[in-house]
Amino acid sequence: AQSVTQLDSHVSVSEGTPVLLRCNYSSSYSPSLFWYVQHPNKGLQLLLKYTSAATLVKGINGFEAEFKKSETSFHLTKPSAHMSDAAEYFCVVSEKGGSYIPTFGRGTSLIVHP
Amino acid sequence: GAGVSQTPSNKVTEKGKYVELRCDPISGHTALYWYRQSLGQGPEFLIYFQGTGAADDSGLPNDRFFAVRPEGSVSTLKIQRTERGDSAVYLCASSLSGLDLETQYFGPGTRLLVL
Repeated sequence: AQSVTQLDSHVSVSEGTPVLLRCNYSSSYSPSLFWYVQHPNKGLQLLLKYTSAATLVKGINGFEAEFKKSETSFHLTKPSAHMSDAAEYFCVVSEKGGSYIPTFGRGTSLIVHP
Repeated sequence: GAGVSQTPSNKVTEKGKYVELRCDPISGHTALYWYRQSLGQGPEFLIYFQGTGAADDSGLPNDRFFAVRPEGSVSTLKIQRTERGDSAVYLCASSLSGLDLETQYFGPGTRLLVL
């Protein structure tokens, strides 16, 4: 069985400051992990995905995430927030080997203040 | 190129009515997924098609929900005897072949409101 927990429902930062969105997962098998972003009235867009080739994954728009097996975490970070980063972010887990049926977290709303 | 499209963008219906939601995936994508996203929640898996067949329908909540993909491209999600609890955003996604780690491309969703 697989599950994902996003530890914060809302994160508020000032423009130009670092962003940290936290995600913990549970998986019986080797997991595949993803972060998606959802801007208002737009479709979900893939930010990055963990392929097991490297624990530090770089994505689009300056985001990156680090897979930590010992902590079962896959936190999303960005060194400097932009106003355009304000959106809903979803951490997603699926289990390798079977059909790709992902489980989404509840989402974290990122608020960026000028 | 064209992304995943969904129609209608909004649908308001009355309790007990029948509704159909349509998804046009990216051309050439064999895998198609339906999700339901309730307010304040992440998308919840409903059903996954590989070509014309439903490879996994374990997420359908009950037998009022049904989906088809007769020609392996466009898919229709059908909800019979709608209930107020069915109100949500219904998302469709497609991917090239449905393999693990493959990127899913999402449509903008259909917002369903059952009065």
